[in-house]
Order: sequence, then C-alpha cells, then structure tokens
Amino acid sequence: SQTIHQWPATLVQPVGSPLSLECTVEGTSNPNLYWYRQAAGRGLQLLFYSVGIGQISSEVPQNLSASRPQDRQFILSSKKLLLSDSGFYLCAWSVSAVLQETQYFGPGTRLLVL
Amino acid sequence: AQSVTQLGSHVSVSEGALVLLRCNYSSSVPPYLFWYVQYPNQGLQLLLKYTTGATLVKGINGFEAEFKKSETSFHLTKPSAHMSDAAEYFCAVSDRSRAYGQNFVFGPGTRLSVLP
Repeated sequence: SQTIHQWPATLVQPVGSPLSLECTVEGTSNPNLYWYRQAAGRGLQLLFYSVGIGQISSEVPQNLSASRPQDRQFILSSKKLLLSDSGFYLCAWSVSAVLQETQYFGPGTRLLVL
Repeated sequence: AQSVTQLGSHVSVSEGALVLLRCNYSSSVPPYLFWYVQYPNQGLQLLLKYTTGATLVKGINGFEAEFKKSETSFHLTKPSAHMSDAAEYFCAVSDRSRAYGQNFVFGPGTRLSVLP
C-alpha cells in the first residue's frame, strides 16, 4: 500500500532563516506531487505541483520554492522565511496515469515563524 | 473556472442528530467530487468520492453523499452524529478538462462541532 511521509511534524523558525520541508511517498511510482498551505482558519492553497522529476509548477508567486530531486521526493524550501509563511503545510500525491485522480495527503508540517 | 462553495463555515449538531454539510460546485464538464475530513493537526483523509455511476456514494465512518447534477450539489450526510465526527470537512471538485495542478479545487471547509 502507498504511504506518504512528511517531516518535520512541527517547526519553529526565526524570521529570515532558511526552510526545508520534506515529503516522500512509498509504494507507487511516478506520482503527481503537490504542496499546499493551510493558514489558520482558512482553506487549502495550492503552492506547487510536480508531474515528474525536476518538473515543478508554481501556482502563486511567493517566498517559497519546491524541488523534486527524486521520483518520490518533494521538497519545499525558502531562503529567508517571512512571518506570513507560518501555517500548516500539506504534501499530497495522486496517480499520474489517471487524470484527475484522488489526492492523498500526508500528516502535515506545522510551521511557526517568529 | 471551477469553484466550490460550502454553505456554513461552522455547523453544530447534537450527538445522535443528523449531519448535513452542504457543497455546491461549478464546473464546465461533469466533475469528480470528493469529501475529505481533517482532524486537528492532521492531514486530510478521504471520506468518499464520486466519479461516475451511482449518484449516492457511501464512504467511511457512516458518511454518504449524493451527486445531484441538476442542483450542482454534493452534500454530505450522516444519520447520527458521533462525538468523534467533530472535525473540519472539505469538499473538492476535479475538473477533467483541465491540466494537472489546475484541476483540483477545494472548498473553504466546514467545521463540524458535535454537542453532547
């Protein structure tokens, strides 16, 4: 069966510090991968998605970037965090062979920028 | 463009009462429809989905939803609420006419409280 991992689970970082959040998927090959942000009391905002290694699409201009160095690894990064980057970050995957297939979510990383 | 609306950002029901969470969508083509549940500080868990076929879909934890094309709705129901149902619920629509990353749209969510 497929599983998706995210780490760390919780992170507290000072403003201006770098960020690296990691997401890995097991039990599937060539998944579509997604990064979402969920601000307090708000819905989900799609940040990035990837349909393959090295292929990243950004949905909104921002202080963050994403990379996919391996087939089942998706990394969210920032060179200098802003207060507004605080939130709950969710990684998700879907089957690439079927268009518009279900998205499955990881446990999330809660980021607090102080 | 597709969109999803969820009527009521917060719904409260008594334990044992009917749960009804509303979802309406707009889509240029027949969509795939989903309901997810999110417990505090956790990721989203798929409750149920509609793709094709039977319009009444049964999911986990006793939830079900009915796709009504004429009303462009996909409301989520459960006959009898349990305390453990307290969570945030998200409706989502997938538009098969759009490319990856642009096709999966979430509603704003409805927080369900269950009162003893």
